[in-house]
Amino acid sequence: GEQVEQLPSILRVQEGSSASINCSYEDSASNYFPWYKQEPGENPKLIIDIRSNMERKQIQELIVLLDKKAKRFSLHITDTQPGDSAMYFCAASAPGANTGKLTFGHGTILRVHP
Amino acid sequence: EAAVTQSPRNKVAVTGGKVTLSCNQTNNHNNMYWYRQDTGHGLRLIHYSYGAGSTEKGDIPDGYKASRPSQENFSLILELATPSQTSVYFCASGEPTGGDYEQYFGPGTRLTVL
Repeated sequence: GEQVEQLPSILRVQEGSSASINCSYEDSASNYFPWYKQEPGENPKLIIDIRSNMERKQIQELIVLLDKKAKRFSLHITDTQPGDSAMYFCAASAPGANTGKLTFGHGTILRVHP
Repeated sequence: EAAVTQSPRNKVAVTGGKVTLSCNQTNNHNNMYWYRQDTGHGLRLIHYSYGAGSTEKGDIPDGYKASRPSQENFSLILELATPSQTSVYFCASGEPTGGDYEQYFGPGTRLTVL
């Protein structure tokens, strides 16, 4: 099945700087790549996603890039704030009509320091 | 907004005992999923379902059974609980048939097997 690698495991940045998280996948048939944010003690929540027909998507301070040839995608958070501190997961959709199955990376703990 | 609830929220079980984790969704989604979350492993898919009466094995099904008696309810069953099944379990629902692969997560159940 699909495998998703996510790096780094822990990311510490200064408030106001940018943070970048990188993921890679194996199955070239994967076509949907979401990012979830999980606050401590909470459930994961979708923050941004990108489909394989796009290379870049931006929602406010969140930017997602997709390189299908290299089978890599990344999340960039510009102008980070303490409220961005959380666990972030990338995922890739497993091929197969209507399964909706997602394979998740192991997660990145982001710490934004004032 | 999507509504997925889980019960119990916390559970302490003894080794060899039977544990049932319940999930209910009011989104009228066809697909439901059970994940476990462990440090260093991210979210791993245990079982999923396409609708009432359907259960499918995910990536780590061993030691778990699932039951989908209705559109709204999806249970995860540990017939003989072991300490290695101590984890946080998340249920999610989704409706990928319309091209929307977002999964909506419940609040999680923290299971400790002694």
